Amino acid sequence: GDSVTQMEGPVTLSEEAFLTINCTYTATGYPSLFWYVQYPGEGLQLLLKATKADDKGSNKGFEATYRKETTSFHLEKGSVQVSDSAVYFCALSRAFGGKLIFGQGTELSVKP
Amino acid sequence: KAGVTQTPRYLIKTRGQQVTLSCSPISGHRSVSWYQQTPGQGLQFLFEYFSETQRNKGNFPGRFSGRQFSNSRSEMNVSTLELGDSALYLCASSLETGGSTDTQYFGPGTRLTVL
Repeated sequence: GDSVTQMEGPVTLSEEAFLTINCTYTATGYPSLFWYVQYPGEGLQLLLKATKADDKGSNKGFEATYRKETTSFHLEKGSVQVSDSAVYFCALSRAFGGKLIFGQGTELSVKP
Repeated sequence: KAGVTQTPRYLIKTRGQQVTLSCSPISGHRSVSWYQQTPGQGLQFLFEYFSETQRNKGNFPGRFSGRQFSNSRSEMNVSTLELGDSALYLCASSLETGGSTDTQYFGPGTRLTVL
């Protein structure tokens, strides 16, 4: 069945460091791919998405490119801030049915 | 436009009781999905409703049920609560244009604690 695998956390970085969180997926067809972020005590917020191969999603300095050939959707940011500290979830969805399949989440901690 | 709202935000119940959680989607959104989040299992899909019909269901026992009303608001019910049902229950809504490109927007969740 469909699945999403993320790199394990926690990831600890210094402010202004470069961030990469790896995400790979297993799915038939062409799913849509998402990154959601969860701040402490809150629900999930959509960070970015891509709906077809080679699409690049971007938002708030974060980027991820849908790579069909490597079945990957890695999240990157050039310079992280303390306020980026949160848990990041990679997810995929198939047509209809509203079912998102999530990775296990990667906790990011950014130190000043 | 108001976001997805969930009530109550926190709930404490004892084993064997039942509980009902409520979700109001973003105005105009017709699809509502429910997810359970636990430290051990992560985020797991419970079910999805569209036009008052359950369209998809995850691998949860029959104690977990839901419904959707004509105004798209949704409720989920858990009967005969077990300690393992303690979790954050998240509701998400989407416009539902009929494809996998629909984006789900999440509410803040209901934190259920079963004692």
